[in-house]
Amino acid sequence: DAGVIQSPRHEVTEMGQEVTLRCKPISGHDYLFWYRQTMMRGLELLIYFNNNVPIDDSGMPEDRFSAKMPNASFSTLKIQPSEPRDSAVYFCASSLVRANSYEQYFGPGTRLTVT
Amino acid sequence: RKEVEQDPGPFNVPEGATVAFNCTYSNSASQSFFWYRQDCRKEPKLLMSVYSSGNEDGRFTAQLNRASQYISLLIRDSKLSDSATYLCVVTRTGSARQLTFGSGTQLTVLP
Repeated sequence: DAGVIQSPRHEVTEMGQEVTLRCKPISGHDYLFWYRQTMMRGLELLIYFNNNVPIDDSGMPEDRFSAKMPNASFSTLKIQPSEPRDSAVYFCASSLVRANSYEQYFGPGTRLTVT
Repeated sequence: RKEVEQDPGPFNVPEGATVAFNCTYSNSASQSFFWYRQDCRKEPKLLMSVYSSGNEDGRFTAQLNRASQYISLLIRDSKLSDSATYLCVVTRTGSARQLTFGSGTQLTVLP
């Protein structure tokens, strides 16, 4: 079975440019999470969706960040305009509501570098 | 204070050694606890859940002390392939789906 798919795997862009990260969750999963990981701050939850509806976006750092989930099989995280401090690895994860199971399955991540 | 605190290490141990990692969490209402493993430049993956009674999975033993808000992971007979960063994870109160990750403890098992 395919796991969580993210694209691109690597992105290098210049400050001020728009960046769009993409995620395809595991089929049938009803929760989708976006995380950011840096050496300084570790793994931080940015936003999560349940059945395509955003539930909590309190982790989104600024209005420059936005996320959408137009359907159960696709989500995007957009940064506009990008800044050097946005450089990080962005992970998407999905999970399935099931009694006593909270395991989240992570994608391989997108390594973003903003110069 | 961070919600989940871990000793960052690094822990460098010889193959076959026993090593223990500790973790403390600040929210006494946290409900579920996990250890995730993250290999270098890879995504985190669930290693094991942590139950109040303690649980074991092969060479790995996890313990939870709710009174002290303390979680531990013990690895026996460590293998080279155990080299990774181990992340302590708790669920947020009121939202079992939201996970809060510690910053991780780096382990290197030496030949």
